[in-house]
Amino acid sequence: GESVGLHLPTLSVQEGDNSIINCAYSNSASDYFIWYKQESGKGPQFIIDIRSNMDKRQGQRVTVLLNKTVKHLSLQIAATQPGDSAVYFCAENMGSSNTGKLIFGQGTTLQVKP
Amino acid sequence: GAVVSQHPSWVICKSGTSVKIECRSLDFQATTMFWYRQFPKQSLMLMATSNEGSKATYEQGVEKDKFLINHASLTLSTLTVTSAHPEDSSFYICMVATNEKLFFGSGTQLSVL
Repeated sequence: GESVGLHLPTLSVQEGDNSIINCAYSNSASDYFIWYKQESGKGPQFIIDIRSNMDKRQGQRVTVLLNKTVKHLSLQIAATQPGDSAVYFCAENMGSSNTGKLIFGQGTTLQVKP
Repeated sequence: GAVVSQHPSWVICKSGTSVKIECRSLDFQATTMFWYRQFPKQSLMLMATSNEGSKATYEQGVEKDKFLINHASLTLSTLTVTSAHPEDSSFYICMVATNEKLFFGSGTQLSVL
């Protein structure tokens, strides 16, 4: 399944399928991007990050793709599990890396059906 | 790695009272901490940047006299919501930036009656 991020805030997938969550960022000068997962009532949990000098980075079951030309970021989750159900936010770091001044996207709710 | 402790996890208060939220960096001396606010079903919005030993930097639209920030030590920043009103009810989250990573606190759910 695939979401358009800002325009489709909920993505529903079957357990075991791959998920793709998209995000459009605003500032072409942003040089650091992060994906977070947030469960209800909890703080954001770091998933994966990528710097602007890369276009792809892989983690465990997750891959982040960065397209600077169109200012687009995506998070791919392989073999989605029920525990992946949460709200996913992309964030861009305005200015120097790791300054902490993050601008968050709207968020996409991922629902995993058993 | 750095661990951030935020307290309390939730608080209910009467309108007009003040509430203090603490954010502690347990393993890292943080000269800078960040305070975010999140309304239900919305994204996180940066409120202010807390600087150890100096005044906080507030984002546009955030009232500095209402949201008092004190960063008196390298491991503690506090956010005080003064004269809280129901519209201040929100999820408040602090964040610490190390040289390599960013760490969030667990958040404080504030409900103003």
